[in-house]
Amino acid sequence: SQTIHQWPATLVQPVGSPLSLECTVEGTSNPNLYWYRQAAGRGLQLLFYSVGIGQISSEVPQNLSASRPQDRQFILSSKKLLLSDSGFYLCAWSVNLALGTQYFGPGTRLTVL
Amino acid sequence: KNEVEQSPQNLTAQEGEFITINCSYSVGISALHWLQQHPGGGIVSLFMLSSGKKKHGRLIATINIQEKHSSLHITASHPRDSAVYICAAVPNTDKLIFGTGTRLQVFP
Repeated sequence: SQTIHQWPATLVQPVGSPLSLECTVEGTSNPNLYWYRQAAGRGLQLLFYSVGIGQISSEVPQNLSASRPQDRQFILSSKKLLLSDSGFYLCAWSVNLALGTQYFGPGTRLTVL
Repeated sequence: KNEVEQSPQNLTAQEGEFITINCSYSVGISALHWLQQHPGGGIVSLFMLSSGKKKHGRLIATINIQEKHSSLHITASHPRDSAVYICAAVPNTDKLIFGTGTRLQVFP
């Protein structure tokens, strides 16, 4: 069966510090991978998605970046965090959203102080 | 105006009530998803629809492509159904356009 791992579960970081969130998927090959952010009390915002290794599409200009070094690994990074980067970060995968489900990871709650 | 609109934004119900959450969209879509976000933040996919109706337990989802409208129904609601329900449309790209969510609270 397919599973999606995301870590850490919670993170408190000072402004200006770097960030690295990792997501891995098991049990499927060549998935589409997604990073979403949800600010407190707000809806889901798509940050990045990837249809293959090294292929990253950015949806929102910001100080975050994403990389996909392996087929089932998706990393979200920042060189210098801002207060506005606080939120709940969710990784997700799917094969074809018009035909099947999107599966979400457990999420990382990031607080930037 | 958002491309995907949900109503109501907030909904309270007594246990056992029949609940309807509505979703309207203004873009052409190939499918529509209904998601459930638990109070802790975790998100579970409930349905993916491209036409007609689907049922899973006490949950029923319908979609009318011509009217660009979908509904999520919960029969015999229970406090454990309390969550945020999100509809998300799939345009002709492999991305989701999310509605703003409906916060449901079911009281015993």
